[in-house]
Amino acid sequence: DQQVKQNSPSLSVQEGRISILNCDYTNSMFDYFLWYKKYPAEGPTFLISISSIKDKNEDGRFTVFLNKSAKHLSLHIVPSQPGDSAVYFCAADTTDKLIFGTGTRLQVFP
Amino acid sequence: GAVVSQHPSWVICKSGTSVKIECRSLDFQATTMFWYRQFPKQSLMLMATSNEGSKATYEQGVEKDKFLINHASLTLSTLTVTSAHPEDSSFYICSALTLEGGPNTQYFGPGTRLTVL
Repeated sequence: DQQVKQNSPSLSVQEGRISILNCDYTNSMFDYFLWYKKYPAEGPTFLISISSIKDKNEDGRFTVFLNKSAKHLSLHIVPSQPGDSAVYFCAADTTDKLIFGTGTRLQVFP
Repeated sequence: GAVVSQHPSWVICKSGTSVKIECRSLDFQATTMFWYRQFPKQSLMLMATSNEGSKATYEQGVEKDKFLINHASLTLSTLTVTSAHPEDSSFYICSALTLEGGPNTQYFGPGTRLTVL
């Protein structure tokens, strides 16, 4: 039972354009979400997070939006850069562990 | 930011042997560490939660006798894959929990690639 889902396994975006990565969750009790970026053969690195008391959080080129009624969050990267090419995981923070989505592979081409 | 290291970064072993992977928090103390595994093109799956000085808590479906976890100090947790088989080949990642930087902030190690022949 996948509680956190990323339905797009891959996304290809041109450099300079906006990348939008989506994430859906099933448990309305989840109240804190995180996005991680992962390069091959490396551990994930934290990007940005959002609490359920907010609907938007911004950090530089990265913005996360949360729609609690739809149980949906999205990560916007603008402008996209080739160095952003990686796998992005969203995660829901429960009281004792993180539950990860399946990941979306983002490729930013020149 | 907080740094977590893993050793070794990759290991190749023969089927039936045991492999130990170390996870260290370098500049902070971590009362809780987590062990994940990731198969190619799949999500990170939590295997177990390791608390310093107590037994690890394993996720459903993870064999505790096969994946031995020892959290001997506030900066070191080890995962031993006993009697490894080819299906245990995977990317193993640890993370360490710190209360700094927000709720449940986990810092991840770089991962260990295990290949069992």
